[in-house]
Amino acid sequence: GNSVTQMEGPVTLSEEAFLTINCTYTATGYPSLFWYVQYPGEGLQLLLKATKADDKGSNKGFEATYRKETTSFHLEKGSVQVSDSAVYFCALSGSWGKFQFGAGTQVVVTP
Amino acid sequence: SAVISQKPSRDICQRGTSLTIQCQVDSQVTMMFWYRQQPGQSLTLIATANQGSEATYESGFVIDKFPISRPNLTFSTLTVSNMSPEDSSIYLCSVVTGGISGNTIYFGEGSWLTVV
Repeated sequence: GNSVTQMEGPVTLSEEAFLTINCTYTATGYPSLFWYVQYPGEGLQLLLKATKADDKGSNKGFEATYRKETTSFHLEKGSVQVSDSAVYFCALSGSWGKFQFGAGTQVVVTP
Repeated sequence: SAVISQKPSRDICQRGTSLTIQCQVDSQVTMMFWYRQQPGQSLTLIATANQGSEATYESGFVIDKFPISRPNLTFSTLTVSNMSPEDSSIYLCSVVTGGISGNTIYFGEGSWLTVV
């Protein structure tokens, strides 16, 4: 079946540091890949997505590229801010509308 | 995209009671899903709630514990029955919309339940 593996947190960074959160997946077919963000006390918000191999999703300075050859969709941001402190979830779309989510990675950005 | 409203947003519930969570979507959608997020955990799918048919439950979830209604294409409810402290979680209503760029899932703000 489908599965998503992402790096464990918490990831603690200083402001303006470079952020990478690794995500790899196992899937049959050609799923779309997603990153969702959950700020403290809130629900999940779509951050970015990519629907096919080599697509790059981007939003709010975050980027992720759909790499079919390495089955990866790593999230990156060049310069994080304190406001980026949140939990980030990698996800893939499955059949019948069911999505598979990673365990989540907590990111803590300090001033 | 879709705008999803959930009520209640938070509640503290007594052990043994039941609580119904409402989910309202701003557009008609076929596929709605209910997820549970236990403290510090990822999302677990409870059930699929498609209009016109009974909800389909995932392994480990049963209708007696989590009855679901889906009376129309913009509304659904999830009831958490006979609650215990283990039911303390965030319950998330979600919809899946699709198009040329494929399916995307959108979430409500969640209902944060604490059972005491």
